[in-house]
Amino acid sequence: SQTIHQWPATLVQPVGSPLSLECTVEGTSNPNLYWYRQAAGRGLQLLFYSVGIGQISSEVPQNLSASRPQDRQFILSSKKLLLSDSGFYLCAWSWTGGFYGEQFFGPGTRLTVL
Amino acid sequence: SQELEQSPQSLIVQEGKNLTINCTSSKTLYGLYWYKQKYGEGLIFLMMLQKGGEEKSHEKITAKLDEKKQQSSLHITASQPSHAGIYLCGADEETSGSRLTFGEGTQLTVNP
Repeated sequence: SQTIHQWPATLVQPVGSPLSLECTVEGTSNPNLYWYRQAAGRGLQLLFYSVGIGQISSEVPQNLSASRPQDRQFILSSKKLLLSDSGFYLCAWSWTGGFYGEQFFGPGTRLTVL
Repeated sequence: SQELEQSPQSLIVQEGKNLTINCTSSKTLYGLYWYKQKYGEGLIFLMMLQKGGEEKSHEKITAKLDEKKQQSSLHITASQPSHAGIYLCGADEETSGSRLTFGEGTQLTVNP
């Protein structure tokens, strides 16, 4: 069976500090991978998605970046955090081949920037 | 780009009551997906609808996609406290390229 892991679960960081959130998927190969941000427990904003190693599509221009160094590893980074980066970050994966609507989400990382 | 509007934004019902959540798109839907989220957790996939007029059920939850494929409704029969959470609809366009757009969500509270 497939599982998705995110860490850390919670993070409190000062403004201007760097960020690295990690997401790994087990039990599948070549998944589509996604990073979302959710503010105030409501709608999801797609930040990045990847259909393969080294292939990253950015949906929202901002001070965040994503990388996919391995097939089942997706990393969200920032060099300098802003207050507005606070939120709940969710990683998700989906099957390739047109079935991307059914996505499987990780437990999320709650980021607070002070 | 596609926009999804969910209504109501929040809903409080008494246990045992029926309820409906709506999701309306600004464009024709290629696929419509319903998810549920408990506070502070990831989303759980519920159902997918692709054909106009399609209806699917899972336990006491039924979702429909209208004939014109621009609106979907999620209906819960005889609600229970376990149904509480945030319900989000997600949609894709035929040219969206492996990504979904989500609505703002509907916060459901079921009082025992």
